[in-house]
Amino acid sequence: KQEVTQIPAALSVPEGENLVLNCSFTDSAIYNLQWFRQDPGKGLTSLLLIQSSQREQTSGRLNASLDKSSGRSTLYIAASQPGDSATYLCAVNTGFQKLVFGTGTRLLVSP
Amino acid sequence: DVKVTQSSRYLVKRTGEKVFLECVQDMDHENMFWYRQDPGLGLRLIYFSYDVKMKEKGDIPEGYSVSREKKERFSLILESASTNQTSMYLCASRTVSDSGSPEQYFGPGTRLTVT
Repeated sequence: KQEVTQIPAALSVPEGENLVLNCSFTDSAIYNLQWFRQDPGKGLTSLLLIQSSQREQTSGRLNASLDKSSGRSTLYIAASQPGDSATYLCAVNTGFQKLVFGTGTRLLVSP
Repeated sequence: DVKVTQSSRYLVKRTGEKVFLECVQDMDHENMFWYRQDPGLGLRLIYFSYDVKMKEKGDIPEGYSVSREKKERFSLILESASTNQTSMYLCASRTVSDSGSPEQYFGPGTRLTVT
């Protein structure tokens, strides 16, 4: 059974720092991996999707990498801002469009 | 932009009531999903639908049913609400078209409290 783990569970950094969020999964047979952002009490906003054949995807200050063989993905946030404060979730597509989610990393960026 | 809307942001119901949660998407997506999100457990899939009138059980379907009579609308039904169904419910949709993105797009969520 696929399990997704995100470490750390919470992270607090000062504004301007570059930071890395980690996601690991137990079964490398995935179709793609998706990173989401969730603000308190709100739904999920899709940030990046990496297909299983890709190594990385970039969008603005965000860069996500995927190493399928080792079951790892990282989300790199450059020059963090207070507006980046949110919970970040990763999810792997195991087939039939099913996503298995990690429990998230809660990020706080202080001014 | 893809838009997924849910009928209520907050809902309070009594034990034993029949509860309907509605989800509508405006991008002609084939697939739709219902998840619940609980602290420490993350998001778990309740049901999903490949297309109109088609449904598949997810990981935690017990106590729930679904209906998809039209492509844009996917309803989650709690036949007899119980306190352990107090949760945040999230709807999502995606396209299966090769020309579209395979991303799942989420609605704003419905926070349901069963008393």
